[in-house]
Amino acid sequence: KNQVEQSPQSLIILEGKNCTLQCNYTVSPFSNLRWYKQDTGRGPVSLTIMTFSENTKSNGRYTATLDADTKQSSLHITASQLSDSASYICVVKGTYKYIFGTGTRLKVLA
Amino acid sequence: DVKVTQSSRYLVKRTGEKVFLECVQDMDHENMFWYRQDPGLGLRLIYFSYDVKMKEKGDIPEGYSVSREKKERFSLILESASTNQTSMYLCASSGLALAGGYNEQFFGPGTRLTVL
Repeated sequence: KNQVEQSPQSLIILEGKNCTLQCNYTVSPFSNLRWYKQDTGRGPVSLTIMTFSENTKSNGRYTATLDADTKQSSLHITASQLSDSASYICVVKGTYKYIFGTGTRLKVLA
Repeated sequence: DVKVTQSSRYLVKRTGEKVFLECVQDMDHENMFWYRQDPGLGLRLIYFSYDVKMKEKGDIPEGYSVSREKKERFSLILESASTNQTSMYLCASSGLALAGGYNEQFFGPGTRLTVL
């Protein structure tokens, strides 16, 4: 069964600290993997997208990694800011379908 | 910048009403999608369309229908709204993937629908 599992479900960190969010998937065949940021009450906004051959991609303070052998991805946030408080969703695209994780809810405290 | 707009941010309807949710994209994208998002669940695909007048059922199409008369517009219809359709509805669009490229999905801001 095609699945995307994210951990932790929620996370609280202090402003300025780093954190890493995890995504494990069983989607096959694999096309690409995306990380989205979703602010409360808003639609998801793309952070990074990676194909099979890419194992790391950065977007400012966000760095995503992909290990296609172990079917794992991580999203690392450096020097967190209050505005990073949001849900982070991992999405894996198979041949035609997008499989969504349930997200990690991040809260950054001052 | 790609822009996907949805007709309403918040909507309150009564059980049994017919509800129309509109989505418009301005990037000439071929593919359009309707999802619902509920707490603790990932986005679930209701319907998608890969061309004008074409539609395909997603994972949870029951109780919904769609219409795509024009390329830029994709409408979700709740024929007879029920309380279990209270949810956040998200529209997305994507273009055709070029060789070696991505066909990224772009999302609208969402419509929070409450059915009383």
